[in-house]
Amino acid sequence: DIQMTQSPASLSASIGDRVTITCRASQGIYNSLAWYQQKPGKAPKLLFHGASRLESGVPSRFSGSGSGTDYTLTISSLQPEDFATYYCQHYYNIPPTFGQGTKVEIK
Amino acid sequence: EVHLLESGGNLVQPGGSLRLSCAASGFTFSNFAMSWVRQAPGKGLEWVSTVSGGGGSTSYTDSVKGRFTISRDNSESALFLQMNSLRVEDSAIYYCAKKLSSGYFPFDSWGQGTLVTVSS
Repeated sequence: DIQMTQSPASLSASIGDRVTITCRASQGIYNSLAWYQQKPGKAPKLLFHGASRLESGVPSRFSGSGSGTDYTLTISSLQPEDFATYYCQHYYNIPPTFGQGTKVEIK
Repeated sequence: EVHLLESGGNLVQPGGSLRLSCAASGFTFSNFAMSWVRQAPGKGLEWVSTVSGGGGSTSYTDSVKGRFTISRDNSESALFLQMNSLRVEDSAIYYCAKKLSSGYFPFDSWGQGTLVTVSS
């Protein structure tokens, strides 16, 4: 199975801050990488697939990048509604696996 | 608008069985593979199983193989998960999730989840 390692596990940031979350796969996944946002008590929401393809309705302050084994989710200017837990997921093969999550908290 | 509504979660003893259901609407159900993804309380996400659009192809995470069976009824736009020989470690919120497209794709729509608790 491909292991997905996210860092950091949690971070504290202020409104307006630039936030970066990284995700590393244990082998190359050829941009078969998705990012999800999950708020407490809610289902995950797909933000990106193909590493950088923004889903419809997702604000442009979110961006995704990367290749090979290393991928990044960036929020250019953190907004109050962005405080949540973020997960990466590969879908290169079966089983699709998720990172352990990064909790973004208010500083 | 895609809508997925899970049901069937409950408290069950170890070794017991449970059948989860997911009612789908807002899209042509038979055109999309469907999956179950679970999340233990306070923990991360874990893919459980996927069934192809036609129902003829299924896949499972290793820990549930031989115990869980995924199926679908395209005439009713419904997805199911039959869970047998349940273990304490199967306790989680179980989400029904639609795949973005056929093949290897992420999950673009999720239900609100149904809680399964396995405890004596």
